[in-house]
Amino acid sequence: DQQVKQNSPSLSVQEGRISILNCDYTNSMFDYFLWYKKYPAEGPTFLISISSIKDKNEDGRFTVFLNKSAKHLSLHIVPSQPGDSAVYFCAASGESTGSARQLTFGSGTQLTVLP
Amino acid sequence: ETGVTQTPRHLVMGMTNKKSLKCEQHLGHNAMYWYKQSAKKPLELMFVYNFKEQTENNSVPSRFSPECPNSSHLFLHLHTLQPEDSALYLCASSLEPLNQPQHFGDGTRLSIL
Repeated sequence: DQQVKQNSPSLSVQEGRISILNCDYTNSMFDYFLWYKKYPAEGPTFLISISSIKDKNEDGRFTVFLNKSAKHLSLHIVPSQPGDSAVYFCAASGESTGSARQLTFGSGTQLTVLP
Repeated sequence: ETGVTQTPRHLVMGMTNKKSLKCEQHLGHNAMYWYKQSAKKPLELMFVYNFKEQTENNSVPSRFSPECPNSSHLFLHLHTLQPEDSALYLCASSLEPLNQPQHFGDGTRLSIL
């Protein structure tokens, strides 16, 4: 059973508008959440993260919101640009074991920003 | 200088071959990871090394054998693979035990004939 779920495999947005990508998790022990972006033929690139002690973290056009009671997080991109077109992965981790955190990934959402 | 470098980028091998995937990181990290990404599936963690010591092995078949000679290099030795092992293999590194993101290489696309 997947502990991190991205229920929308794809999302299309007009350039300049807001993109909202969603992620749900089931493990209440997760306390650190990340978003990665992946272009074809490249590895995932870290975008933004949030600790469970916060409910919002902002970095330029990217904002991540965390709703712990709903076990839900979302990534907002505003304004969206064509270069944002990529697969976005949500990831989560809990208390580390063996001193290295393990990340659990969602299956990804393909974002397409239309010019 | 790229952060995490993986070689080769593409590999085609038969089921009876033996090959190795290589990963090198230049970020001063102390933890390294192997992930597998099959089509339409989430990234699956295979192995974790922290300070050269293997700390996790997520029920990976013995036909995959990792090696971490130092904190900067990680290998994945492959032998007698099956067609279902065809996938993208990604290496990552991080600085532990801090709450820092993992940095990924571009992966090796492996095809088993």
